[in-house]
Amino acid sequence: DTGVSQDPRHKITKRGQNVTFRCDPISEHNRLYWYRQTLGQGPEFLTYFQNEAQLEKSRLLSDRFSAERPKGSFSTLEIQRTEQGDSAMYLCASSLSGTNSPGQPQHFGDGTRLSIL
Amino acid sequence: DAKTTQPTSMDCAEGRAANLPCNHSTISGNEYVYWYRQIHSQGPQYIIHGLKNNETNEMASLIITEDRKSSTLILPHATLRDTAVYYCIVRVSAGGTSYGKLTFGQGTILTVHP
Repeated sequence: DTGVSQDPRHKITKRGQNVTFRCDPISEHNRLYWYRQTLGQGPEFLTYFQNEAQLEKSRLLSDRFSAERPKGSFSTLEIQRTEQGDSAMYLCASSLSGTNSPGQPQHFGDGTRLSIL
Repeated sequence: DAKTTQPTSMDCAEGRAANLPCNHSTISGNEYVYWYRQIHSQGPQYIIHGLKNNETNEMASLIITEDRKSSTLILPHATLRDTAVYYCIVRVSAGGTSYGKLTFGQGTILTVHP
């Protein structure tokens, strides 16, 4: 399978603990996005990477959240001191972008579902 | 990015064509129309996108009106597995300084009946 891969698929943790999620994008894709989706809502943008550079962060991304993409390949999203409100599906997407490929779509993984006890 | 308006829900009989409308009256010239769908507990699945011309792929057809203010996603022969939430999104091409993040609305819940 050459799609976007996310790990773990499910994470249950106690309030106050730190959690880290991993995303492996489609191999040739240079752009990587994180979104968050709560029950009954559409996904909301969190942050975006072009290669290893984090170029945009949503106001939803509080200082307890940090994302990295150290070698421009896989990415990690860490949440420190988790809160009840962090319970959601965390989705990763990737795309190929460049002047010769305008409009290329983002392809999503199946997400990590986080439950805070 | 321009906003989109979609019906909250639609029904379709299995084997019939499902036509899902989307209004995007404030779309600008460099904005693409994208369609995704999401089945419960899965990530959004890319279906199709277009700029001006009608598009067709193995999953669906996209019909964009000449003034580009609305579009219709057509699933030619709906099956029970097409039951999902369908999102219509308008987005500037992710080139140059545009990062191309997607802004999802509520989408249309399509239910395909036997």
